[in-house]
Amino acid sequence: DAKTTQPPSMDCAEGRAANLPCNHSTISGNEYVYWYRQIHSQGPQYIIHGLKNNETNEMASLIITEDRKSSTLILPHATLRDTAVYYCIVNNFNKFYFGSGTKLNVKP
Amino acid sequence: KAGVTQTPRYLIKTRGQQVTLSCSPISGHRSVSWYQQTPGQGLQFLFEYFSETQRNKGNFPGRFSGRQFSNSRSEMNVSTLELGDSALYLCASSSGTGIAYEQYFGPGTRLTVT
Repeated sequence: DAKTTQPPSMDCAEGRAANLPCNHSTISGNEYVYWYRQIHSQGPQYIIHGLKNNETNEMASLIITEDRKSSTLILPHATLRDTAVYYCIVNNFNKFYFGSGTKLNVKP
Repeated sequence: KAGVTQTPRYLIKTRGQQVTLSCSPISGHRSVSWYQQTPGQGLQFLFEYFSETQRNKGNFPGRFSGRQFSNSRSEMNVSTLELGDSALYLCASSSGTGIAYEQYFGPGTRLTVT
């Protein structure tokens, strides 16, 4: 059911930008892209979502390609506390399908 | 604003028993969704309730059921427990209205079936 593909893991140096890619080539016109993260078996935490325009909030930026088939989550200055599993989800109504996610390891 | 609360946080049950888990959403939120998380299957959507009605349902057997009360609090029930039901059960609340909205997750209930 998950319609997204993400790399299983990525490393990032503390203080550098973390760029997490997501492929959603079968996305429909009315489906939004959401990003959540989960830190060590806590409940997932909402990060950001978007439809087709790039979005930015206090946590991250979301860049969606023009054809909407892929997106990138950017954490501008990663800290050790950003170490987590990041999930990219496509959704058009309140039924979220989480894939395997990307384990981001932020290293000092 | 208080976050999503789930009770109990930990639970140990025996195969064949039933269990009820509770979720209190953020004040003002009318939608509650339930998820099961296991190491093998990851996070899987169970069902969603909005204004006391089940609005969406995932692919789980009928042993998994839920309900929502008029104050938006929700319970989920698992009958005839199996070893494979051992998991972290998460609930998430949202406004439930509009096209796109974020979900806020609780800390989860860790269920162990022996």
